[in-house]
Amino acid sequence: GEDVEQSLFLSVREGDSSVINCTYTDSSSTYLYWYKQEPGAGLQLLTYIFSNMDMKQDQRLTVLLNKKDKHLSLRIADTQTGDSAIYFCAETYTDKLIFGTGTRLQVFP
Amino acid sequence: GAVVSQHPSWVICKSGTSVKIECRSLDFQATTMFWYRQFPKQSLMLMATSNEGSKATYEQGVEKDKFLINHASLTLSTLTVTSAHPEDSSFYICSARVGRGQGPIINEKLFFGSGTQLSVL
Repeated sequence: GEDVEQSLFLSVREGDSSVINCTYTDSSSTYLYWYKQEPGAGLQLLTYIFSNMDMKQDQRLTVLLNKKDKHLSLRIADTQTGDSAIYFCAETYTDKLIFGTGTRLQVFP
Repeated sequence: GAVVSQHPSWVICKSGTSVKIECRSLDFQATTMFWYRQFPKQSLMLMATSNEGSKATYEQGVEKDKFLINHASLTLSTLTVTSAHPEDSSFYICSARVGRGQGPIINEKLFFGSGTQLSVL
């Protein structure tokens, strides 16, 4: 089956940049997504990127896509304590969303 | 924005009992609903896809007799965990989708419920 992997944890100081990485296996994915999950809550779509793009910027968020290496990253500039959450990358496979393992981001003062 | 209501948000039950989880789209009609299961420190695992008025499509390894899904209307899907056991304890999340097509799922509007924490004693 399709496999989407992420590192489990990331800890950063408030004000620094955070970079969350993701690797995926389905080269036919047309869209890749980043979701945020706060404790005990559902998922919130942060941003997505079309597979023919290399980069997409949306305010503090920058998504980089290396399609050759099947590598996706999410950079959060000026990370705040409110950014502490689990971040999931996801790819579309047929008509389904396949999620990564999730990266828990902890922001400390 | 659109809201998906998932109820209950948490439930504790005895082993052997059945638990029903509801997922409602409050202000839109959902053509498709998805059910996910999330283990601690692990990814969301897609369990099944349900379309209104038809049988759910289960992912490989998910027991359809164990996890009964009913999508009786365009605004309601239910997941029933039958004869629950401690290993069924998990966080279950539903999502509801409007529209079809080949564009990004955001254009097709996919909304998530807030999840249900099931603990089986």
